[in-house]
Amino acid sequence: NAGVTQTPKFRVLKTGQSMTLLCAQDMNHEYMYWYRQDPGMGLRLIHYSVGEGTTAKGEVPDGYNVSRLKKQNFLLGLESAAPSQTSVYFCASSYTSEPQHFGDGTRLSIL
Amino acid sequence: AQSVTQLGSHVSVSEGALVLLRCNYSSSVPPYLFWYVQYPNQGLQLLLKYTTGATLVKGINGFEAEFKKSETSFHLTKPSAHMSDAAEYFCAVTQGDGYNKLIFGAGTRLAVHP
Repeated sequence: NAGVTQTPKFRVLKTGQSMTLLCAQDMNHEYMYWYRQDPGMGLRLIHYSVGEGTTAKGEVPDGYNVSRLKKQNFLLGLESAAPSQTSVYFCASSYTSEPQHFGDGTRLSIL
Repeated sequence: AQSVTQLGSHVSVSEGALVLLRCNYSSSVPPYLFWYVQYPNQGLQLLLKYTTGATLVKGINGFEAEFKKSETSFHLTKPSAHMSDAAEYFCAVTQGDGYNKLIFGAGTRLAVHP
């Protein structure tokens, strides 16, 4: 049972490049979330999904897009990366409750 | 708007000593409150939560927290610190209108020394 798996674990991008972060969960959870974590701050919600085919904006959605084509996967896309998007990104999943299962994070640097 | 304040970004205790991590919130309605722990290079784990009912909540690893409405607080305690408790701890709050609206505090890093 892998739980929540994030790929990649590390990535360095140049300003303007695009990339997709993948989150996969094997617990059949309906809810999935993408957060970013910056030094001295708590987690901030980027986007979330309450089920396959649905997504919604969180607290800091600008510059990001998401898709939930399959229940087990939640993709986070950066269309044109900016240095302000340098952060650690966490995916989480849960049933109809608080985010309970987190991945180990993706460390993203934008140069 | 809701907010969460964790007093002390760093707390250091001796092994065996009491652990007290402070969390205060601002909310216009009764909140749901959570504590999460993050070990180095890992995601967050839910330690405990308060929704309704008993105001003293017990969590994993010997931690507990008490919801005090009059003080708008939800402090996390553990009677005796262990070296393995060294981690970062986050308090979070929502008004129960959707857990997707959790607001996290900035975190408190706990160091435990021999």
